[in-house]
Amino acid sequence: GAGVSQSPSNKVTEKGKDVELRCDPISGHTALYWYRQRLGQGLEFLIYFQGNSAPDKSGLPSDRFSAERTGESVSTLTIQRTQQEDSAVYLCASSEAGQGYEQYFGPGTRLTVT
Amino acid sequence: DQQVKQNSPSLSVQEGRISILNCDYTNSMFDYFLWYKKYPAEGPTFLISISSIKDKNEDGRFTVFLNKSAKHLSLHIVPSQPGDSAVYFCAASAAGGTSYGKLTFGQGTILTVHP
Repeated sequence: GAGVSQSPSNKVTEKGKDVELRCDPISGHTALYWYRQRLGQGLEFLIYFQGNSAPDKSGLPSDRFSAERTGESVSTLTIQRTQQEDSAVYLCASSEAGQGYEQYFGPGTRLTVT
Repeated sequence: DQQVKQNSPSLSVQEGRISILNCDYTNSMFDYFLWYKKYPAEGPTFLISISSIKDKNEDGRFTVFLNKSAKHLSLHIVPSQPGDSAVYFCAASAAGGTSYGKLTFGQGTILTVHP
């Protein structure tokens, strides 16, 4: 079956511009997660959705970052006024209800801020 | 504050031998641990997990050991195969509340298995 998909796969943007990253989770997965991986580092948790609600936004690094999810499906991560330190691979994962630990990851979006 | 640490950035092993990847954690609230494998340009893939009520979990060539008193876990791959070459991430989670599902990852260990 179809896995988690993310778009775009690569995004190059100028400092100060806004970007939107999209995640399509596995159909039927009610939980959705966003992570960030900077070069040479581990994955850093950003935000967690259960259905369309985000009970845990503790990882969002600043108020320039926001995310939403609609229809218990697609999620969009928006970064406003991008900075060079935002350059990273942004990974989305989804899981079944009650199976929150075994998360299935998408291929990621590589964001480069110039 | 790095709550999950993989102190070996890389490991090189001969095909057929054992690969041992190590992971240490500091947060005593963690009660579930996972290993993920990642190939270049792909997302991490779940490999194996262990609950804190166990000290060992085995799945084919992969075995995870948990030492709660030492806050240490390890992944053993026996026998290692060239296709196992990838980055391996250790991750941990604490059940309950708003942290449910939130994974804290280590920095990863690059495993290279030589034919």
